[in-house]
Order: sequence, then C-alpha cells, then structure tokens
Amino acid sequence: AQSVTQPDIHITVSEGASLELRCNYSYGATPYLFWYVQSPGQGLQLLLKYFSGDTLVQGIKGFEAEFKRSQSSFNLRKPSVHWSDAAEYFCAVGPPMEYGNKLVFGAGTILRVKS
Amino acid sequence: DAGVIQSPRHEVTEMGQEVTLRCKPISGHDYLFWYRQTMMRGLELLIYFNNNVPIDDSGMPEDRFSAKMPNASFSTLKIQPSEPRDSAVYFCASSLWSYEQYFGPGTRLTVT
Repeated sequence: AQSVTQPDIHITVSEGASLELRCNYSYGATPYLFWYVQSPGQGLQLLLKYFSGDTLVQGIKGFEAEFKRSQSSFNLRKPSVHWSDAAEYFCAVGPPMEYGNKLVFGAGTILRVKS
Repeated sequence: DAGVIQSPRHEVTEMGQEVTLRCKPISGHDYLFWYRQTMMRGLELLIYFNNNVPIDDSGMPEDRFSAKMPNASFSTLKIQPSEPRDSAVYFCASSLWSYEQYFGPGTRLTVT
C-alpha cells in the first residue's frame, strides 16, 4: 500500500550538533514532498517543499532536504541544531493523481535538543 | 498576510452540547481542509472544500459532525452532540492547490 514512513519516533541531539530526520515514501512516480514542523501548542508550519528540479531544497529556519529518487527518500537536515528546534516534524507527500489528491502525512518525529 | 485564523483557540464543553469551530482561510486560497489531531490517531483529514464546495467528507467520523463553507472566507465545523471522545485539536488549513497547505493554530477541544 502507498504510504509515508518516518522511521524514528523520537530523536535526541545535542545543541550545535547536526540533524537528519528520515522520510521514505512508497509511490511509483515522484510525488510532491513537504516537511512541516509543529512546536508545542502550535499549528503545523511549512518548512520546505520539493516539486521538481534541484534535488537539494532549502527551507526556513536553516533547514534543507534532499530528494533521492533511487531511495524514495526525502530526508530533512540541519547542520547545527538550536534548542528552539525542539518540536515534532512531519513529512508529507502529495501523491501522483492516480493515488488520489490528499496530502498524506507521516506519523511524525519528535526532536529533543539537549544542552 | 494574517495566515489561517481559527476560533476559539480553546473550547471546553460538556458532553451533549453543540460545538462550533470557525476558520478563516488565507485570502485567495481555493482549498480549505479540516483536520483532527490526537495522540492515538495522529493527524486525520476530516473534510475538504474546493471553491466552497465539499469535495471529500470521507474522514468525517459520524453524522454528529458537519462542516460548511458559506463563502470563500469562512468555514465552520460543528459537532452536535459532542462526546468525550471528540476531545482533540482541530486544525483548519488552506491552500491554492490541494497539496501545499498552510495551517491555522488549531482549536483545542475538551469535552467533559
């Protein structure tokens, strides 16, 4: 079945360390790809998106993500994490039209930042 | 741009009461979505509209839930009667096309 997988439920990193959050999808064709962040008590904020073209995309708050077609992945990265990055991160996929036209969210990864 | 506006931000009500959640989408956006978020079930799409017309309400849990969009700048989600299991955070989101969605701050609903 078509799906979006975020393998890590929780990740803890030290402040100043690098971060990579994983996201995999299972659609035959390349979907539209998004990362959202949700801080406690807040709504989801769009961090970045990939539609086509350059496979490395830059987003807000110093985040970037790389699309790898061969691995069906769209991993989120940040070179140096700040304490304010502690939040839940959701990968989302807009599937090819033959799979419907609803955004499909991963289960989320909770990021903890230790000082 | 003010972003998506939701009201109220918090709602506490007793079982059996009617609850109305409100949403103002971003001006110019043609799509409006209602989601529910709980610890157990995560983020669930309840219903979405395109140009004020409901397109897919397959996620609406029961007949107790209804949603309307009388014009391009306003939508409501109503629960009547409310039950404790309806306690959740309800998000409204809007977009120019179906995928790139912008979320409101949410309404935290508690039904006692």
